[in-house]
Amino acid sequence: AQTVTQSQPEMSVQEAETVTLSCTYDTSENNYYLFWYKQPPSRQMILVIRQEAYKQQNATENRFSVNFQKAAKSFSLKISDSQLGDTAMYFCAFMIGNYGGSQGNLIFGKGTKLSVKP
Amino acid sequence: GAGVSQSPSNKVTEKGKDVELRCDPISGHTALYWYRQSLGQGLEFLIYFQGNSAPDKSGLPSDRFSAERTGGSVSTLTIQRTQQEDSAVYLCASSPRTSGRSGELFFGEGSRLTVL
Repeated sequence: AQTVTQSQPEMSVQEAETVTLSCTYDTSENNYYLFWYKQPPSRQMILVIRQEAYKQQNATENRFSVNFQKAAKSFSLKISDSQLGDTAMYFCAFMIGNYGGSQGNLIFGKGTKLSVKP
Repeated sequence: GAGVSQSPSNKVTEKGKDVELRCDPISGHTALYWYRQSLGQGLEFLIYFQGNSAPDKSGLPSDRFSAERTGGSVSTLTIQRTQQEDSAVYLCASSPRTSGRSGELFFGEGSRLTVL
């Protein structure tokens, strides 16, 4: 069974600074995807960034980047130049890949509550 | 609208009553998911529909929970004989079936269920 662990229930960062959120996972699969989702107080989950396990290059999306360490099964999220709008719950998630194009269940960690302070 | 729509946004019910929660996915999305989010917790997978395939019901916590998806579009999650521990936010998400975007789920705003 796949598991996703986020060891930081809460974090805070000053506006304009950099923060890193941790995530580890456990799987015996070789083909999978990893994600970070953001859930602001409005409740609607939004995809932040996505990483294919077969890619060695770390994914980046503007101020968001990941540090994907496949051997260590680690997938941390770095937020640079933090903004007040980054305040939200952040969930790490895992999905087994499927070469047929279909997809299965997305497994989530328990989340990290990030507060960006002015 | 263009997003995933869920109704009702809030539902208060008495213990023992049945409730139905509705999800309207994004048009053309073949995959539809239901998750449950309890206070301060992560997302617990309930059920997953993919096109015309048999749904993955492995996450349903008991036989009081069921879901259907009609015509490959709208889905209804039904909870029978509700219990207080069923109180949670029920999130629906849909996803296009294109391998290049695997795992990109589009979520609704959820239905908050309170069982008194």
